[in-house]
Amino acid sequence: DTGVSQDPRHKITKRGQNVTFRCDPISEHNRLYWYRQTLGQGPEFLTYFQNEAQLEKSRLLSDRFSAERPKGSFSTLEIQRTEQGDSAMYLCASSPTIGAPDNEQFFGPGTRLTVL
Amino acid sequence: AQSVTQLGSHVSVSEGALVLLRCNYSSSVPPYLFWYVQYPNQGLQLLLKYTTGATLVKGINGFEAEFKKSETSFHLTKPSAHMSDAAEYFCAVTYSGTYKYIFGTGTRLKVLA
Repeated sequence: DTGVSQDPRHKITKRGQNVTFRCDPISEHNRLYWYRQTLGQGPEFLTYFQNEAQLEKSRLLSDRFSAERPKGSFSTLEIQRTEQGDSAMYLCASSPTIGAPDNEQFFGPGTRLTVL
Repeated sequence: AQSVTQLGSHVSVSEGALVLLRCNYSSSVPPYLFWYVQYPNQGLQLLLKYTTGATLVKGINGFEAEFKKSETSFHLTKPSAHMSDAAEYFCAVTYSGTYKYIFGTGTRLKVLA
């Protein structure tokens, strides 16, 4: 049973650089979510896909952030011109299509981003 | 706006003692409520959830939670703490018509030998 995987697990970058993270959801899950978790806080919703369609975006997702899920399978989250405030854990989750919002979201291990 | 409040960012209990982690939510519509646990360097794992029906929900590892609408609460309990319960616990809420979770700020549980 392969769960949600994320790559890389850790990323250190310099301010102003672009970074891209990848998420591979559980294979039969059509919904995919991105969250951001900063130190001492709970995860905050960023965006959500159903198949390849991006259906909801948080105001936290500034124009420097872009997420894609081109074939409805894996997803990428890109941050352009990184700032120190972007340092956080980026979590990906997936859930099945069938059912109501009470479906469990399965979380990956996260990608920890450090911007120097 | 919907929100979740977890009272106590850090809770310490002795091994074998009762665990009580508090969660209150604000909502104008019926909520779906979740408790997740996060171990160091790992993703979040679902402990239990409330959707509809029975208000006392049992989860994994001996945890349970009770949905109290009148108190807008969904506190997590375990009768006897084990060393392996040391982790961070998050309460989350979602609603019909959305798929995003709103998380609380988390409670770090420490279990003392």
